[in-house]
Formats: sequence, C-alpha cells, structure tokens
Amino acid sequence: GNSVTQMEGPVTLSEEAFLTINCTYTATGYPSLFWYVQYPGEGLQLLLKATKADDKGSNKGFEATYRKETTSFHLEKGSVQVSDSAVYFCALSDRGGATNKLIFGTGTLLAVQP
Amino acid sequence: EPEVTQTPSHQVTQMGQEVILRCVPISNHLYFYWYRQILGQKVEFLVSFYNNEISEKSEIFDDQFSVERPDGSNFTLKIRSTKLEDSAMYFCASSAVADTYGYTFGSGTRLTVV
Repeated sequence: GNSVTQMEGPVTLSEEAFLTINCTYTATGYPSLFWYVQYPGEGLQLLLKATKADDKGSNKGFEATYRKETTSFHLEKGSVQVSDSAVYFCALSDRGGATNKLIFGTGTLLAVQP
Repeated sequence: EPEVTQTPSHQVTQMGQEVILRCVPISNHLYFYWYRQILGQKVEFLVSFYNNEISEKSEIFDDQFSVERPDGSNFTLKIRSTKLEDSAMYFCASSAVADTYGYTFGSGTRLTVV
C-alpha cells in the first residue's frame, strides 16, 4: 500500500542554519504531497502542498519539490528561526478508498536554538 | 480564522472504561475525520464521515469504535471498552469538500489508558 517515510528526529539547528527534512513515498498513481506542521499545543496545520510532478510548494520560507523520479518531497528552508521549532509531518493523499484520506510519516521534531 | 475544537485536551481512563472524545468541526464543513497517533508512531487514518454515515474506515476502527454527529455541531468518537493500546493522540479534522486539500485539524486529545 501507499506509505511515507521521513527522516527521524530530533533535528537540532542553530538559528539561521539551513534545514532539510527528507521525505520519500511509495504510492500507486500520482498522489498529492503535503507537509504539515504541529507547533506545541496546537493542531496539524498545512504548511505547503504539491499536486503533480515537478511542482514546488512554498510557504513561510519553506519549500518542497515533488520529485517523481526519486519519489521524494524533501522540505527545505534557507534560514530557520527559533519560531520554526515544531514537529513536521510529510503526507500524501490516498485516493484508493471511498474517501480521500491522508497517509502520514512519523513526524520530525525540529528544535532551533538561538 | 475558523477552528476545529477538540475536548478534552487530555483524558486519563481506566482500562475497560468507555470514553467519548468530542470535536466541533467548522460550521460549514461536510466531511469529518478521525486520525490517531500512538506516541512515536505515524498519524493514522481511523474513519471518515459524511451525510450522517461512515464513508470509510480503517482496519484499526473495529467494533469497539463508533462515531456520531448527535446534534449537527458535535462529532464524537466513542471507544466502548478501552485497552492500553488505545493510548494515543486523537485528531479530529473537517473539510468542506472531499479532497484532502481542505482539511482543518483540531489540536488533538491525548488519551491515556491506565
């Protein structure tokens, strides 16, 4: 079945460092891909998405490119801030059943130190 | 900005007891979902609900689980006889359309079964 694998955390960076969180997927067909973020004490928020190969999703300085050839959707940010500290989830849309549902990775905790 | 509200934020219950997790979806949304995340594991789809009936459920959603929209505003998840392995974070989500783009998640209920 469809699945998502993302790098284990925690990832600890200093402020202004470059961030990469790796995400790869296994899917039949052409799913949409998402990054969700969960700040402490809050719900899952959509950070960015891409709906087809070579699409780049971007938001708040984060970006990720849908790479069909490597089945990847790595999250990047050029300069992280302390306020980016959160758990980041990679996900894909699974249209195989009656409902379009999300399949998530395990999440990666990012801790940014001042 | 409209929110999905979940209560309680944390519930502790004894094994074998019934629990009801409550969610208030966004008022004009039509599709409702429950997901859960066992600590350190993936966020997993449990069930989707539309037009007052279950649209799809996962293998996890066995006879011990049920969902209901009793009064047109609340959306509840009931676990009849809790087991230790039901300890997890439970997320409610709603969307106006069937696609995964439009999901709004709540902040979750942490269920601890002792």
